[in-house]
Amino acid sequence: AQSVTQLGSHVSVSEGALVLLRCNYSSSVPPYLFWYVQYPNQGLQLLLKYTSAATLVKGINGFEAEFKKSETSFHLTKPSAHMSDAAEYFCAVSDSGGYNKLIFGAGTRLAVHP
Amino acid sequence: KAGVTQTPRYLIKTRGQQVTLSCSPISGHRSVSWYQQTPGQGLQFLFEYFSETQRNKGNFPGRFSGRQFSNSRSEMNVSTLELGDSALYLCASSLDLQTRNNEQFFGPGTRLTVL
Repeated sequence: AQSVTQLGSHVSVSEGALVLLRCNYSSSVPPYLFWYVQYPNQGLQLLLKYTSAATLVKGINGFEAEFKKSETSFHLTKPSAHMSDAAEYFCAVSDSGGYNKLIFGAGTRLAVHP
Repeated sequence: KAGVTQTPRYLIKTRGQQVTLSCSPISGHRSVSWYQQTPGQGLQFLFEYFSETQRNKGNFPGRFSGRQFSNSRSEMNVSTLELGDSALYLCASSLDLQTRNNEQFFGPGTRLTVL
């Protein structure tokens, strides 16, 4: 069975500071991993996904994530936070039992202050 | 290209009633998945439909059901509503390229409140 753990339900950074959101996964098969972002009163938007082609994945809005098999991690980073990055971020793993079944972490709410 | 649309956006029901939520996928997408989002349980997979067939189901009681039409539009139904069914229900569609790394496109959700 697959699972995802996001460390830190709330993260607060200053504008211009590094953003680091942590995600660890558990999977009995090679994982497919995703990061989604949710803005207030909206659905989820895909930031990036890991598909085994490259361990460093670049996504939209300047975000990237590095897949580390030895650490079972897929942490999300952005070098310089913008006020517009304030949102909730979800890490997810694709379930081995189906094509379109995602197992989500609990989410991390990112606050960006001036 | 229009995104995933969900109707209605907001719904208020009372315990014991039933409700039907609708989802129109992106044109050309044949897979539709449904998720429930609550503060306590987070995002949980309900079920997935592909070519009018339920292909995958999450761990929810039988009060939760769904269907998909020939035009790929999908509906989900919740019968005998309970207070705990209050949630944001999200629909997602994908091209379904027969792989586990399909990108799913989410709609804005339907906010259901059960009183």
